[in-house]
Amino acid sequence: SQKIEQNSEALNIQEGKTATLTCNYTNYSPAYLQWYRQDPGRGPVFLLLIRENEKEKRKERLKVTFDTTLKQSLFHITASQPADSATYLCALPQTDSWGKLQFGAGTQVVVTP
Amino acid sequence: DGGITQSPKYLFRKEGQNVTLSCEQNLNHDAMYWYRQDPGQGLRLIYYSQIVNDFQKGDIAEGYSVSREKKESFPLTVTSAQKNPTAFYLCASSRREKAYNEQFFGPGTRLTVL
Repeated sequence: SQKIEQNSEALNIQEGKTATLTCNYTNYSPAYLQWYRQDPGRGPVFLLLIRENEKEKRKERLKVTFDTTLKQSLFHITASQPADSATYLCALPQTDSWGKLQFGAGTQVVVTP
Repeated sequence: DGGITQSPKYLFRKEGQNVTLSCEQNLNHDAMYWYRQDPGQGLRLIYYSQIVNDFQKGDIAEGYSVSREKKESFPLTVTSAQKNPTAFYLCASSRREKAYNEQFFGPGTRLTVL
């Protein structure tokens, strides 16, 4: 079965440093991968999408890589700020139906001043 | 402003009662989804609908029911058959033109069974 793994331990990082999160998957050959941000008690918000033929995608201080050989995506937050503190979810398409996503459990990031 | 609204924000239910969670969107999206989120777990798909008057079961549909009579609305009923309904429920919508379209989420409803 398709499986997505994200580090369940919170990532504590000092302001200004780069936070790096991983998303590993098995039994998948996804055409794309998405990253979302979720604040406590709120719905996720879409951040970035990267396709299988793209190695890297950037948006402001965010960078995503996608290695289909390693079956892994890395999500980087550069020059992190306390406002970046949240849970970050990766999501991959379910192979059995158009448009459906399977989400990882997410990794919490805590940025301290 | 376009977006998705869910109501109520908090809902308390006695055992044996059915409750209905509301989800409305004005984004003109064809596809809508219901997810359940439990602490430390990812979002799990309950039901989804790609078009009006059509919907499909997701991974954990047992004990839930939905309807899609209007494009804007996708209400979820949590029935008494759902054994552990206490959770955070999220509604989402997306466009249908491309399979990789991002999903837009509502603010969620937190359901507690007393």
